[in-house]
Amino acid sequence: RKEVEQDPGPFNVPEGATVAFNCTYSNSASQSFFWYRQDCRKEPKLLMSVYSSGNEDGRFTAQLNRASQYISLLIRDSKLSDSATYLCVVNIDSGGYQKVTFGTGTKLQVIP
Amino acid sequence: DAGITQSPRHKVTETGTPVTLRCHQTENHRYMYWYRQDPGHGLRLIHYSYGVKDTDKGEVSDGYSVSRSKTEDFLLTLESATSSQTSVYFCAIARDRVYEQYFGPGTRLTVT
Repeated sequence: RKEVEQDPGPFNVPEGATVAFNCTYSNSASQSFFWYRQDCRKEPKLLMSVYSSGNEDGRFTAQLNRASQYISLLIRDSKLSDSATYLCVVNIDSGGYQKVTFGTGTKLQVIP
Repeated sequence: DAGITQSPRHKVTETGTPVTLRCHQTENHRYMYWYRQDPGHGLRLIHYSYGVKDTDKGEVSDGYSVSRSKTEDFLLTLESATSSQTSVYFCAIARDRVYEQYFGPGTRLTVT
């Protein structure tokens, strides 16, 4: 089983739709979680951190479910500019052991 | 945007030649990382640094070496480039090891 797994998509959604992505992780010692956005041929850019209590930034909502070991990203009222690949990132930091693992990404295409 | 630059941005080189990629930051962040990104694999950590002259290996370190003689610069060297090292290389920085990372614009390296 991969340490971090994402559905590669593509998710093709119409403008204005709500779309959700999940990312599952295998190591229960995972400590911090992030969502990044990557446009074609560009660097990943931090979208938001994921907190235990869940957090929202405008149209974006991130949630963490430690019991089931997944994080989610919800995008409401999708815009054409939301078209990108969304990467989840999981940090393990346990004593002297630290590892950052990126998912392979979920591609979103918002259609006019 | 975080102050991270990478040079060169594009490079074509021949098999067997040495190549050095440079990452420069103006944020005075302690942690610096080198990743490669390939289709189907996502971002994979090559090496990282947690301070001047302090470096450690990532999951795909074979064939690569790094150096960090100043806080702001992190160099990645391919001692003898191979075609399997054709990839996009990203540098990233972070304030601390479980904090979010910020990425440079990337270097596209082609080894012929």
